[in-house]
Amino acid sequence: GAGVSQTPSNKVTEKGKYVELRCDPISGHTALYWYRQSLGQGPEFLIYFQGTGAADDSGLPNDRFFAVRPEGSVSTLKIQRTERGDSAVYLCASSSGGSEDTQYFGPGTRLTVL
Amino acid sequence: RKEVEQDPGPFNVPEGATVAFNCTYSNSASQSFFWYRQDCRKEPKLLMSVYSSGNEDGRFTAQLNRASQYISLLIRDSKLSDSATYLCVVTISYSGAGSYQLTFGKGTKLSVIP
Repeated sequence: GAGVSQTPSNKVTEKGKYVELRCDPISGHTALYWYRQSLGQGPEFLIYFQGTGAADDSGLPNDRFFAVRPEGSVSTLKIQRTERGDSAVYLCASSSGGSEDTQYFGPGTRLTVL
Repeated sequence: RKEVEQDPGPFNVPEGATVAFNCTYSNSASQSFFWYRQDCRKEPKLLMSVYSSGNEDGRFTAQLNRASQYISLLIRDSKLSDSATYLCVVTISYSGAGSYQLTFGKGTKLSVIP
């Protein structure tokens, strides 16, 4: 079946601009996670959705970052007033939920802020 | 101190060699343990879960020592296709909301040489 998809695959923007990154999880997966991976680092947790609600947003670095999942499926990560330090690969993962349930990752969106 | 620490690598080994990766984690409340594999410019993919009793999947063997907070991965008879970055991963449920965010190490790069 279809895996997790993310669009766009690449995004280049200028400092100060607003960007939206989209994640389409595996059908039926209620848990959705966003991670950010900087060069040479492992992915770092940003936010977790169970259904429509953001159940854990403790990983968001500051209030310029926001994410929604209005219908419990597709999620959008929104970054306001982008900074060069926001450049990274943004990964989305989905799972059925539970500690032993595998999180399946999408291919990521590579964000470059000039 | 990072929550998950790994050998920095890179590991350059000849085909057919046996290679071992080590990882330590700092939070004794960690609940689940995994090794993920990440190819260059690709998303992380689950290689195997790790259990206290130790587990094996073909040429791959994973071990967990909860007392020492130590995880290992052994790859026997290395193949060229094993070349990738290997990420040590733990989960900790921080909230009652059911978030099983993955905490990644920085990864260890393996290059298998003909």
